[in-house]
Amino acid sequence: QVQLQESGPRLVKPSETLSLTCAVSGDSIDNGYYWGWIRQPPGKGLEWIGSLYHSRTTHSNPSLASRVTISADRSNRQLSLRLTSVTAADTAVYYCARGLTPIDYWGQGTLVTVSS
Amino acid sequence: SYVLTQPPSVSVAPGQTARLTCEGDTIERKSVHWCQQKPGQAPILVVYDDSGRPSGIPERFSGSNSGNTATLTISRVEAGDEADYYCQIWDNSVPSVVFGGGTKLTVL
Repeated sequence: QVQLQESGPRLVKPSETLSLTCAVSGDSIDNGYYWGWIRQPPGKGLEWIGSLYHSRTTHSNPSLASRVTISADRSNRQLSLRLTSVTAADTAVYYCARGLTPIDYWGQGTLVTVSS
Repeated sequence: SYVLTQPPSVSVAPGQTARLTCEGDTIERKSVHWCQQKPGQAPILVVYDDSGRPSGIPERFSGSNSGNTATLTISRVEAGDEADYYCQIWDNSVPSVVFGGGTKLTVL
């Protein structure tokens, strides 16, 4: 069974970089699926951030693309997210997920708050 | 960019049928997926590729897609079905994943 677990700092200061890691178990990052990140601001809907395929091909939300880096460590089965120059608007629950169309497995999510 | 429109809320009595809609321009040409999100939990996929049902999802959940409207139908609604439901597509033209704004299903 595929399991995804997000980890990283829960509090980030404005203008700094948000960095999260997702540990993947029950599957391989190189098995032919996209792996990516989705976020959800408190009380709001889902927003796709971006996805990675075979550790090479990346698609990102155009509204975030200039600030987003998604990468994978195949040997450690980890997916990473970096979001630069954060503001309060980046406060959200961040989910790691498998798939693109559809997104078929989700991590439990981690709340990241941007505040000084 | 492609826009998916969902009604903010739908209410239904237990045992009745809930129909949740997702509107988009000629959405019938796209594969539509639906996820369910209960309060404080991560979303789970309940319908994929318009009408497919993942393993473990009850047969009460079904989907259809025609014209400008995709529909998630939940038959014999139970209290445990109360959740937010999101439709999702892949927009090749951008390219980008697109989510609808979500519908809150309330079981009366």
